[in-house]
Amino acid sequence: QKEVEQNSGPLSVPEGAIASLNCTYSDRGSQSFFWYRQYSGKSPELIMSIYSNGDKEDGRFTAQLNKASQYVSLLIRDSQPSDSATYLCAVNVNTGRRALTFGSGTRLQVQP
Amino acid sequence: GAGVSQTPSNKVTEKGKYVELRCDPISGHTALYWYRQSLGQGPEFLIYFQGTGAADDSGLPNDRFFAVRPEGSVSTLKIQRTERGDSAVYLCASSLYRAGHTGELFFGEGSRLTVL
Repeated sequence: QKEVEQNSGPLSVPEGAIASLNCTYSDRGSQSFFWYRQYSGKSPELIMSIYSNGDKEDGRFTAQLNKASQYVSLLIRDSQPSDSATYLCAVNVNTGRRALTFGSGTRLQVQP
Repeated sequence: GAGVSQTPSNKVTEKGKYVELRCDPISGHTALYWYRQSLGQGPEFLIYFQGTGAADDSGLPNDRFFAVRPEGSVSTLKIQRTERGDSAVYLCASSLYRAGHTGELFFGEGSRLTVL
């Protein structure tokens, strides 16, 4: 089992729809969770961080964390073609380690 | 500087050669990370510095890889006797130290290494 798992996609949604991206992680002791966006040929860019169970909203983005189910998700409302990118879930899978472990990413395509 | 700066942006070398990749983190960020990313994969952790010392080098694949951060700011990733399998984008990230939490990582644009 991978430490951080994501469906590779592509996930295709029409413009204006809600895109739902999911991530599961293996270490129940993980405390820090992040979503990064990566455009083709570019470096990862931080979108959201979440540390507590529940929802965290920032503009069109909502991160959801469920530690009991070891599940993190990212919702993108009113999806735009400019949201088309790979979305990386990152988790500190070992509480003694400061570095983040990344999933392999989900490619999102927003169709105009 | 305003962001994480990495040089060179592209490096083409021959199998067996020595390579150095440089990272200049965001000013004031004490934590510095090196990751490696292959096509279609997420970034893979290599090494983490807190200040001048390597706090976690468990991701370095073998002893051909080494990294330093002598003054607690700029870091250099060194790869000896390069192999074709070392070809990847090498990403550097920095963050503020936050007690109890892994800080938010800010990435540079990466150094694309191609070993022929």
